[in-house]
Amino acid sequence: AQTVTQSQPEMSVQEAETVTLSCTYDTSESDYYLFWYKQPPSRQMILVIRQEAYKQQNATENRFSVNFQKAAKSFSLKISDSQLGDAAMYFCAYRRAGGATNKLIFGTGTLLAVQP
Amino acid sequence: DGGITQSPKYLFRKEGQNVTLSCEQNLNHDAMYWYRQDPGQGLRLIYYSQIVNDFQKGDIAEGYSVSREKKESFPLTVTSAQKNPTAFYLCASSIDRRTGASTDTQYFGPGTRLTVL
Repeated sequence: AQTVTQSQPEMSVQEAETVTLSCTYDTSESDYYLFWYKQPPSRQMILVIRQEAYKQQNATENRFSVNFQKAAKSFSLKISDSQLGDAAMYFCAYRRAGGATNKLIFGTGTLLAVQP
Repeated sequence: DGGITQSPKYLFRKEGQNVTLSCEQNLNHDAMYWYRQDPGQGLRLIYYSQIVNDFQKGDIAEGYSVSREKKESFPLTVTSAQKNPTAFYLCASSIDRRTGASTDTQYFGPGTRLTVL
């Protein structure tokens, strides 16, 4: 069975600094998708960034970028120039490509605090 | 605006009652999902539906039921058989992968907080 592990329950960063959130996953599949979702205090899940496993190039969305290491099964999120609005719970998620369902498998989350 | 709406935002249930959580989307997405979130945990899949009039159990379907009579709507009923229903419930939708969409990312509604009194 696929699993997703986020080993950092909490992280803190100074405003304007850079922080990296870790995520590892376990799968025997070769084709899959990886996602980072943000859950602010409003509790709505917001997509931050996604990565297709067949793409070697790391995904980037403005200040957010990932370091995707397929062989190591690692998928970290880097937030540059951190802003107060980045404070939230961040979830890493995995989805198998193909198959009978689009089920997302989530990690337990990392709570990010941004210090002014 | 296109999006996913869930109602109510807060719901209180007495022991032994069934309650229904609403989820509506106007994104023209084929697939819809229900997740449950408990403190300190990620989301877990309750039910999902890939097309109208069809739905499948997820990982924690016991004590829940759904219907999918319209493409836009996927209500979740929490029955009295659900032993520990207090949680945050999130609905999501995505384009059906069978149409050829390569990533069909799931987009989430704002959630419903259910509390058993």
